[in-house]
Parts: sequence; structure tokens; C-alpha cells
Amino acid sequence: GAGVSQSPSNKVTEKGKDVELRCDPISGHTALYWYRQSLGQGLEFLIYFQGNSAPDKSGLPSDRFSAERTGGSVSTLTIQRTQQEDSAVYLCASSLEWGNSPLHFGNGTRLTVT
Amino acid sequence: AQSVTQLGSHVSVSEGALVLLRCNYSSSVPPYLFWYVQYPNQGLQLLLKYTSAATLVKGINGFEAEFKKSETSFHLTKPSAHMSDAAEYFCAVTLTGTASKLTFGTGTRLQVTL
Repeated sequence: GAGVSQSPSNKVTEKGKDVELRCDPISGHTALYWYRQSLGQGLEFLIYFQGNSAPDKSGLPSDRFSAERTGGSVSTLTIQRTQQEDSAVYLCASSLEWGNSPLHFGNGTRLTVT
Repeated sequence: AQSVTQLGSHVSVSEGALVLLRCNYSSSVPPYLFWYVQYPNQGLQLLLKYTSAATLVKGINGFEAEFKKSETSFHLTKPSAHMSDAAEYFCAVTLTGTASKLTFGTGTRLQVTL
């Protein structure tokens, strides 16, 4: 596609519910990244994929968070039993490869947990 | 491991004045360095990147940054600020030669006043 697409753009959910956030990267980009941006804070790294494998999951805040990528393309970030502190903008980015290739970001999913 | 520190979470300049946004990095190997900009309600866009080809890097919208190894710095400058430059700016680092995540600073919000 023309750019990185994320859906939904906004999600409001009740505490305790599970949510799935989707990222559709630019076609041909092998690397895919998930970041979280909370109000007044910078970008917090969550996980990145090289192809379908995730060499670095160190940023996932807890075992309630998981992510997968299939076919070297679409990725889904799942948050189980959401908590209010999960409220943030979740940003996805893709790049041609890891290293010095610039990241192309989607517009994010704004998650609000009530 | 790598990290970046952005000095000043908020910077305010007058239209036409010099813009200077500071970034210092920490890296165990030669780094790749980036500046990204985030306009309100949008995803991040790449401004410029340093990949060891030249220490002075020119980016979009009249911005440039100079890599100074002795000072471990990569400050972003623009000679004359424009109202449209008001945004949040993020410095980021990743390591050369390895599959590695991009680590972002906490961001600097630039305000441009008349």
C-alpha cells in the first residue's frame, strides 16, 4: 500500500476486556515495529519483527501483551485483560530492513481503557 | 545497549529565530542516528538520518544535524524557524551491524511564536 495502515484508529474498551490492534505495513518491508506513546512520554519500544520472527520482545510490558506477524506482512498486537494504564497511542512502523533503513510510521491506534 | 537523551522537553523560539534541539547518544558501537518529527494527530516522519557517510546531514524543511563523535551529540538545527515547524521532535539511535531496535528519546516539543 501507499503507507503503513493501522486499525482501528480509535478504540475504547472496558477494563478487563481483550483488544486486538492491527498493522498493515508497506509492501516489501521486512521489518515491523510496535511502539507505545503515552501522554507526556516518549516512544516506548514494545517489539519488533524481522519477517515473521521477533528477535526482540524485550519491550512488552507484561505477559498480557503479545504480538504476531503472519506471511511477513500484517501484524496483530493483542492486549489481554486490559488495564487503565494500557491507555496510550500504539504506533506501528515498518522498514525495508533493520539497521539504517528509515521507519515509516502509521498514524497509530488510540486506545482508551475505561 | 544504546540510548539517546534529549535536553529540554519544551523549546520555544520566535518565528525567524534559530532552532536548536539537543540530542546526545550513548552507544557501544558506531551508531545510526535519526531525527523524526510528529505533527499534531499524525504519525512520525523522518527528518534526516546519519549513517556515517557525512557528519553534517541535511534533511527536509531546511533542518540539518551534525554528528559530533567527540561530544556524542547529534543536535538538530534550522537557521530560521517557521510557524509550521511547531511539532514534537524525536531523536533516535540504532546500532550498526546488528539487527537492533530503534531507541527514541523522550521528545522535544517545539513552539514557534510570532
